[in-house]
Amino acid sequence: DAKTTQPTSMDCAEGRAANLPCNHSTISGNEYVYWYRQIHSQGPQYIIHGLKNNETNEMASLIITEDRKSSTLILPHATLRDTAVYYCIALHWSGGSNYKLTFGKGTLLTVNP
Amino acid sequence: NAGVTQTPKFQVLKTGQSMTLQCAQDMNHEYMSWYRQDPGMGLRLIHYSVGAGITDQGEVPNGYNVSRSTTEDFPLRLLSAAPSQTSVYFCASTRDRDTVYEQYFGPGTRLTVT
Repeated sequence: DAKTTQPTSMDCAEGRAANLPCNHSTISGNEYVYWYRQIHSQGPQYIIHGLKNNETNEMASLIITEDRKSSTLILPHATLRDTAVYYCIALHWSGGSNYKLTFGKGTLLTVNP
Repeated sequence: NAGVTQTPKFQVLKTGQSMTLQCAQDMNHEYMSWYRQDPGMGLRLIHYSVGAGITDQGEVPNGYNVSRSTTEDFPLRLLSAAPSQTSVYFCASTRDRDTVYEQYFGPGTRLTVT
């Protein structure tokens, strides 16, 4: 799996968009970008994933650059409950064979009132 | 549908004691994993299972055993607890191996070894 680099921490005002960057310059063509988050004292929660195209779901949007070397997770209207550590992971999707999901240190997003 | 459940929520052990952390899921997931999380660090994979009867090691397997006799259950056994195993342990399961690596995590077990 490709190495990913994220800022250690970020702040965002409540109600504003939170844009969390992730660098994955060594990503290979068959590696997906996944985002998870972990609210304090809880288990991690899946947010979104993508390969090449931008993706959107009820939680967030994922913007992947054309060269796929970086991506941005966007929370369109951050709330206090979005305060969490956000993990960006580049993962090879092998279609069902042995798999592993390895988390790094992530970005601590603090949403301020 | 309870999702992924873990018991106990908290546990204190003395060095050398053994115990089993329980994990169960009711979503008929094939893949299950155990992670540990230490203060200030991300999650580290201990063991994982791709189906009943099949297990494999993650990045930090020493001191832990697993078994997968049923699809639903994936217990983690500490053989002889050590202070270095003080951590929060998360169990997770995957929804569908042919679609996304979307994991459902349990609430965690907070273990202290004295």
